Amino acid sequence: DIQMTQSPSTLSVSVGDRVTIACRASQSISSWLAWYQQKPGKAPRLLIYKASSLESGVPSRFSGSGSGTEFTLTISSLQPDDFATYYCQQYDVLWTFGQGTKVEIK
Amino acid sequence: DVQLVESGGGLVKPGGSLRLSCAASGFTFRSYYMNWVRQAPGKGLEWVSSISSGSTYIYHADSVRGRFNISRDNAKNSLFLQMNSLTAEDTAVYYCARVFDTMNRANWYFDLWGRGTLVTVSS
Repeated sequence: DIQMTQSPSTLSVSVGDRVTIACRASQSISSWLAWYQQKPGKAPRLLIYKASSLESGVPSRFSGSGSGTEFTLTISSLQPDDFATYYCQQYDVLWTFGQGTKVEIK
Repeated sequence: DVQLVESGGGLVKPGGSLRLSCAASGFTFRSYYMNWVRQAPGKGLEWVSSISSGSTYIYHADSVRGRFNISRDNAKNSLFLQMNSLTAEDTAVYYCARVFDTMNRANWYFDLWGRGTLVTVSS
């Protein structure tokens, strides 16, 4: 099974900050990685697919990078609506999620 | 509207069974791989089960294999999850989710999610 490890588990940030979340795969997954945003009581929302492709309707302040085993989600300037939990997901072999990164108000 | 609506959750005793349903609308359900994903209270997302468009291919996570069974009825635009031998560790919100496009390897991510249904396993 492919394991996904995110870091950090929690980020305390302020509006306007640049935010970077890391995701590491236990083996190479090429670029078969997605990022999701989830707010309390809501379903996850797709942000990024194929490691760096922005889903339609997602603000351009979100970006993804990486390939192989190391990936990054970046929010260029955090907005109030961005406080949420973020998950990476590999889809190279079945599907596995990272444990999540909570972005909270500093 | 394109949507997925789960139902069938509730309170069940340990060792019991429950059948979840997911009603799809607004898209050609029979063309898509479908999945169940769960989230225990305060925890992260866990992929549970997947079924191909024609039910030929079925996959389950190790944590549920042998106890859960995924199925679908394309004529009724419905996805199901039969859950048996439930334990407290199965307590979670269960989401159904659609794979965007299995014809392109780059697109095997989940692009559409339902709002979830809560399953609580407790005596």
